[in-house]
Amino acid sequence: GESVGLHLPTLSVQEGDNSIINCAYSNSASDYFIWYKQESGKGPQFIIDIRSNMDKRQGQRVTVLLNKTVKHLSLQIAATQPGDSAVYFCADYNAGNMLTFGGGTRLMVKP
Amino acid sequence: DSGVTQTPKHLITATGQRVTLRCSPRSGDLSVYWYQQSLDQGLQFLIQYYNGEERAKGNILERFSAQQFPDLHSELNLSSLELGDSALYFCASSGGTGEQPQHFGDGTRLSIL
Repeated sequence: GESVGLHLPTLSVQEGDNSIINCAYSNSASDYFIWYKQESGKGPQFIIDIRSNMDKRQGQRVTVLLNKTVKHLSLQIAATQPGDSAVYFCADYNAGNMLTFGGGTRLMVKP
Repeated sequence: DSGVTQTPKHLITATGQRVTLRCSPRSGDLSVYWYQQSLDQGLQFLIQYYNGEERAKGNILERFSAQQFPDLHSELNLSSLELGDSALYFCASSGGTGEQPQHFGDGTRLSIL
């Protein structure tokens, strides 16, 4: 089946730097994408979403970019903080109600 | 706090046994989703219920079943448990059935000995 994957399994950044987490998706029919953050011992937490009629969406310290031409999604975190350390998943809706998750990227923030 | 409550947090049992995991969705949400998260496979969608009816099915084994009750809480039943069923089981909820954010509980960690 179609799947959503991630380029980098682990990303280590210095506190205060910007982080960029990438995601490639394979289903060209996907039109809604979500980024989740999962901290140890917790469930995935919604961060930001974007629909395919947009190529950029901003939240608080986070920006999601969507490039439909190359089927690529990225999450940018500004001024990364220790509390941002977690596993980040991209997910997309396909086949109606099914949310498909990528494999996850671990973000480690060095103080 | 997502507003989604899952119990129990941890469950330890033996092969061949049966367990029931419980989920209370966010207030007002009609859809409940179940996911399995294991180390080698990430988050896998199992099944969705909407207002008491099964809505979508993913990679759910025949040994597994779920239901959603009139008060909208849901239960996931796992039977004839095998070692490979050890995983985190997450419940998520959303308001409807369309493309919208799903909000997750903190999961039940199931360990099969």
